[in-house]
Amino acid sequence: QKEVEQDPGPLSVPEGAIVSLNCTYSNSAFQYFMWYRQYSRKGPELLMYTYSSGNKEDGRFTAQVDKSSKYISLFIRDSQPSDSATYLCAMRGAGGTSYGKLTFGQGTILTVHP
Amino acid sequence: NAGVTQTPKFQVLKTGQSMTLQCAQDMNHNSMYWYRQDPGMGLRLIYYSASEGTTDKGEVPNGYNVSRLNKREFSLRLESAAPSQTSVYFCASSEVSSANYGYTFGSGTRLTVV
Repeated sequence: QKEVEQDPGPLSVPEGAIVSLNCTYSNSAFQYFMWYRQYSRKGPELLMYTYSSGNKEDGRFTAQVDKSSKYISLFIRDSQPSDSATYLCAMRGAGGTSYGKLTFGQGTILTVHP
Repeated sequence: NAGVTQTPKFQVLKTGQSMTLQCAQDMNHNSMYWYRQDPGMGLRLIYYSASEGTTDKGEVPNGYNVSRLNKREFSLRLESAAPSQTSVYFCASSEVSSANYGYTFGSGTRLTVV
């Protein structure tokens, strides 16, 4: 079983919809959680960064972390065609052998159609 | 523009050939990483370098070698390419000493081994 599981989709929604992307994980040592966005034929770029449990909001994007359930989410409000991309969750521990190394989910392919 | 530069962008190799993928960053980051991305598998860590002069194996190191030439450059070598190494390769860098960090990725090298 992978340490991080992410539904690969693909997910197709109409413009303006609320999108929910999710990851589950098994390693209780993970404390830092990130979401990356990857456009076709490009490298991933950091979208959101959260530490431990709680919510973080940035414009139309909200990241949630529930460490008790080992579950993280990314919500996109008022989705736009420009949000069409692959979204990857990533996480790491605070130190030790995991120091500096991110573990990624498989990525979810999102298409927002006009 | 500041960032991570990867060369070449595309490459086709015959089975058994060797090649080196080059990566350079100009952000003065200490840590650098090589990942491969395959459909349905997400990003898998091949090798990483926590700091200049050190390298360590990641999740899928077999068939690869790396060199941290200096703080800026981190190369990945395939000594005898195999079709299973057909993939998209991403180099990334980060400043691990920062409390809040993510990776900066290059744009990738698309490698086909025939």
